[in-house]
Amino acid sequence: AQTVTQSQPEMSVQEAETVTLSCTYDTSENNYYLFWYKQPPSRQMILVIRQEAYKQQNATENRFSVNFQKAAKSFSLKISDSQLGDTAMYFCAFKSGYQKVTFGTGTKLQVIP
Amino acid sequence: GAGVSQSPSNKVTEKGKDVELRCDPISGHTALYWYRQSLGQGLEFLIYFQGNSAPDKSGLPSDRFSAERTGGSVSTLTIQRTQQEDSAVYLCASSYGQGRTYEQYFGPGTRLTVT
Repeated sequence: AQTVTQSQPEMSVQEAETVTLSCTYDTSENNYYLFWYKQPPSRQMILVIRQEAYKQQNATENRFSVNFQKAAKSFSLKISDSQLGDTAMYFCAFKSGYQKVTFGTGTKLQVIP
Repeated sequence: GAGVSQSPSNKVTEKGKDVELRCDPISGHTALYWYRQSLGQGLEFLIYFQGNSAPDKSGLPSDRFSAERTGGSVSTLTIQRTQQEDSAVYLCASSYGQGRTYEQYFGPGTRLTVT
């Protein structure tokens, strides 16, 4: 079974600074997807970014980028130029084939003005 | 276009009562998922549907929990004889298919409080 671990329950960052959220996973699969989801206080989960395991190039979406280390089974999220609207819970998630998505326990990010 | 919707937004019920939670997926999405999120916790998988079938019910915590999906669209999660430990946010998500490439779109959730 796959597991996803987020070891940072809470983090804070000054507005306009950069922050990195950590995620590690365990799987015996070779082809899979990794995701970062954002859940603001409104509860609506929103996909931030995703990475295909067979792609070596790290995914980027505007201020969000990932550092995907397949051998180390690590998938961290970097948020550049942090904004107040980035305050939210961030969940790392894993999906392989037709199996369900496995989520980590989340990191609560607070952006400080 | 319309996203995933869930109703009610909030539900307060007395211990022992039955509750029904509804999820309307995005039109055309064949896969539908239910998750439970307890306070400060991650997402706990409950069940997923492909069309009207539920290939994986492994996450349902007890036989008090059941779910159905009709017409390949609306899904209802039913909790019988609710207990206080059932208090949580219940999230529904849908995706175009069940393969690994398909992104899940989430609804806003139903916050269930059992008193």
